[in-house]
Amino acid sequence: DADVTQTPRNRITKTGKRIMLECSQTKGHDRMYWYRQDPGLGLRLIYYSFDVKDINKGEISDGYSVSRQAQAKFSLSLESAIPNQTALYFCATSPNWRDQSYNEQFFGPGTRLTVL
Amino acid sequence: DAKTTQPPSMDCAEGRAANLPCNHSTISGNEYVYWYRQIHSQGPQYIIHGLKNNETNEMASLIITEDRKSSTLILPHATLRDTAVYYCIVRARPLAETSGSRLTFGEGTQLTVNP
Repeated sequence: DADVTQTPRNRITKTGKRIMLECSQTKGHDRMYWYRQDPGLGLRLIYYSFDVKDINKGEISDGYSVSRQAQAKFSLSLESAIPNQTALYFCATSPNWRDQSYNEQFFGPGTRLTVL
Repeated sequence: DAKTTQPPSMDCAEGRAANLPCNHSTISGNEYVYWYRQIHSQGPQYIIHGLKNNETNEMASLIITEDRKSSTLILPHATLRDTAVYYCIVRARPLAETSGSRLTFGEGTQLTVNP
């Protein structure tokens, strides 16, 4: 079973709709991240969370919000979707800095979102 | 975090070594070099990281120049499954619980392994 899962894997929606993308992990990591990737570009950080009580904005947080419901769950919401939010979205996790593998981030399979 | 420069694309024959360069001339003393790869539309995968010494693991080797301004990722025997975009990332080590551990991805190098 995958350690980091994302739902849905694909979603098509219309402009103005509210969308929630969900991420779950079984790795027991404290830190979770949301990235978006546009065609031909690298990943850009949207939000990140160091633990359940901690939420931080990344490079491109405008138009997005997040919720850290539990250590294992981190959701990304688009309150009113617009076409330029069409992208591939990735969730990632990492252990805290005391863990020997803290250097690594572990990515989910991605959610392909299309906003018409 | 220091900026990195990578060639946009490279080709390699199956079974041969793939050498992927990365320039990070503005790297500072506390910054590590990380390599990730992304197979088409999948989530990125960690490969290796290093500070100043050369590193090797089961996936690859990382060679960092003495002045640390550039590095090379080596896949010793490339296979078709190594076709992916390879990202070189420079990032400071998180020194405390509250420090960021974010990764800044550039555009990477598209490596194509040919049969």
